[in-house]
Amino acid sequence: QQQVKQSPQSLIVQKGGISIINCAYENTAFDYFPWYQQFPGKGPALLIAIRPDVSEKKEGRFTISFNKSAKQFSLHIMDSQPGDSATYFCAASIIRNYGQNFVFGPGTRLSVLP
Amino acid sequence: DSGVTQTPKHLITATGQRVTLRCSPRSGDLSVYWYQQSLDQGLQFLIQYYNGEERAKGNILERFSAQQFPDLHSELNLSSLELGDSALYFCASSVGTGMDGELFFGEGSRLTVL
Repeated sequence: QQQVKQSPQSLIVQKGGISIINCAYENTAFDYFPWYQQFPGKGPALLIAIRPDVSEKKEGRFTISFNKSAKQFSLHIMDSQPGDSATYFCAASIIRNYGQNFVFGPGTRLSVLP
Repeated sequence: DSGVTQTPKHLITATGQRVTLRCSPRSGDLSVYWYQQSLDQGLQFLIQYYNGEERAKGNILERFSAQQFPDLHSELNLSSLELGDSALYFCASSVGTGMDGELFFGEGSRLTVL
């Protein structure tokens, strides 16, 4: 129940295209869903996050869509750029639980071709 | 720069040996998390400390141990090392116990066990 599933494992998109990464979870107690971006040789960094009380959150070219009933959320990268090439991790956590750890998905390696 | 400092960046050792990885969290952050990232694998949560106390435990082997010191830096001790322990070990910090959401990751310590 603590698992977060993520797909696809890898994704190749042309410059200017839309990149879509999907995640699914089972534990309905999760109430915070962040996406992390990791470049080679670097640690993951928070990209965008959403709480389950909203269905969509947009920051620049990055949008999270959240479907509470389906227990799914996705990251959309509009006008994808070669600089977006990185590994993306979705995650879930339970904010109200004291000390609750984050659960990360297995990651999606995105390559944006110039 | 996330503000989280990890040392050493690279470490090569032999099976059966013991190593210590060090993490200095961002200034003001009370929580420290340790994650293991094996080749092409996701982020596996190991353990979390908050203000010197263990708060959450993940898939941490008995051969591994950690602690957080009064100055809030943390150390991850890995003993009786095996080939399979070769991985990137990330430290992350947050202001509270994860209730604030964002984790700030260091750049990792790459451990190679020969």
